[in-house]
Amino acid sequence: NAGVTQTPKFQVLKTGQSMTLQCAQDMNHEYMSWYRQDPGMGLRLIHYSVGAGITDQGEVPNGYNVSRSTTEDFPLRLLSAAPSQTSVYFCASSSRDISYEQYFGPGTRLTVT
Amino acid sequence: AQRVTQPEKLLSVFKGAPVELKCNYSYSGSPELFWYVQYSRQRLQLLLRHISRESIKGFTADLNKGETSFHLKKPFAQEEDSAMYYCALEHSGYALNFGKGTSLLVTP
Repeated sequence: NAGVTQTPKFQVLKTGQSMTLQCAQDMNHEYMSWYRQDPGMGLRLIHYSVGAGITDQGEVPNGYNVSRSTTEDFPLRLLSAAPSQTSVYFCASSSRDISYEQYFGPGTRLTVT
Repeated sequence: AQRVTQPEKLLSVFKGAPVELKCNYSYSGSPELFWYVQYSRQRLQLLLRHISRESIKGFTADLNKGETSFHLKKPFAQEEDSAMYYCALEHSGYALNFGKGTSLLVTP
């Protein structure tokens, strides 16, 4: 099992550009989520999904879109990047079968200039 | 509202000294609490959860509902324990509310 994978590992964007952060898991977990990690702020939930076709907003959803067309994939889209979105992004998956333990991806370090 | 508070941004101890990383929470129901650890340049990984009552890498954490606390303890710190530690509260079963984290530095 590869677990949770994320691409790219690093990305630099200019203000106003759009991009998609990819996340995939091969554990057949029903739940997936996106967090951003900022110094002194911990991890904050952006969006989450409880299954294919179902997504909802977390604590800091503005400027981000998600979709969940398959169980395995949960991409995060930045529509028009802003410097405030410079952060490390973590994708995670979990399942009721493992008592909701969150498995994290390696992260994507995004810089917006 | 659910909230997790980790009052210490940085905790520095000497090798062999006891360690306690504090975590307080606010939650109206029966909480499901976790400690996650992030070693340098690695992904977050589960350290322990209160429901399992396990001891992982010598760390323990006891849920105190009266004080709404879930402090992480280890009797003798090791240099390899240096990492970022996050306390987290289950958020409706599929995501977590994280505290802001405590950076633990164990010096020789």
